[in-house]
Amino acid sequence: GAVVSQHPSWVICKSGTSVKIECRSLDFQATTMFWYRQFPKQSLMLMATSNEGSKATYEQGVEKDKFLINHASLTLSTLTVTSAHPEDSSFYICSASKTSGRNEQFFGPGTRLTVL
Amino acid sequence: GEDVEQSLFLSVREGDSSVINCTYTDSSSTYLYWYKQEPGAGLQLLTYIFSNMDMKQDQRLTVLLNKKDKHLSLRIADTQTGDSAIYFCAESSSASKIIFGSGTRLSIRP
Repeated sequence: GAVVSQHPSWVICKSGTSVKIECRSLDFQATTMFWYRQFPKQSLMLMATSNEGSKATYEQGVEKDKFLINHASLTLSTLTVTSAHPEDSSFYICSASKTSGRNEQFFGPGTRLTVL
Repeated sequence: GEDVEQSLFLSVREGDSSVINCTYTDSSSTYLYWYKQEPGAGLQLLTYIFSNMDMKQDQRLTVLLNKKDKHLSLRIADTQTGDSAIYFCAESSSASKIIFGSGTRLSIRP
């Protein structure tokens, strides 16, 4: 068990539009979900941490009004990139954690966003 | 802040052993991880080690931890073409945040 899915796997949108990415834990309840951004040939940068039913905690430098995170249930978190611009093009990866003990995070397959 | 560093590239011959090195700065690290990322995919946890251990072996994978020098390594024995990927070293302390290194791209030559 411990499968995490993301939808869509890739998306192309026009500049100025908003894009929603879903992250689901398929066979477990995720107390915490994380959103990362990965630029080509670079590491994962943590954007925010979200716990079900509470506001997400954003990392320094991440605009909370641009990257809206909703964690409405123990199996679903969404990231909405509002008014996307070409510089938002990136690979977005979510992860989910069952407990806060070992800090093991189970990663989704990622969503590639291209903003034209 | 916390930092994790690793070399960007490693090339090995098929059948040889691969050794990927990593250094970190957080002295309060509790867990250290190795993740594998294949092209266009998410991260797969390969193995992890508690900070109070100095070695962990799992089939072809051997993790060595030198806590004094804050140095972590991943050895892959009998490297195969399917091992081609980017390998990320990562650490976490008591907080839930995981800090990732920049990744080492492992390429296998025949």
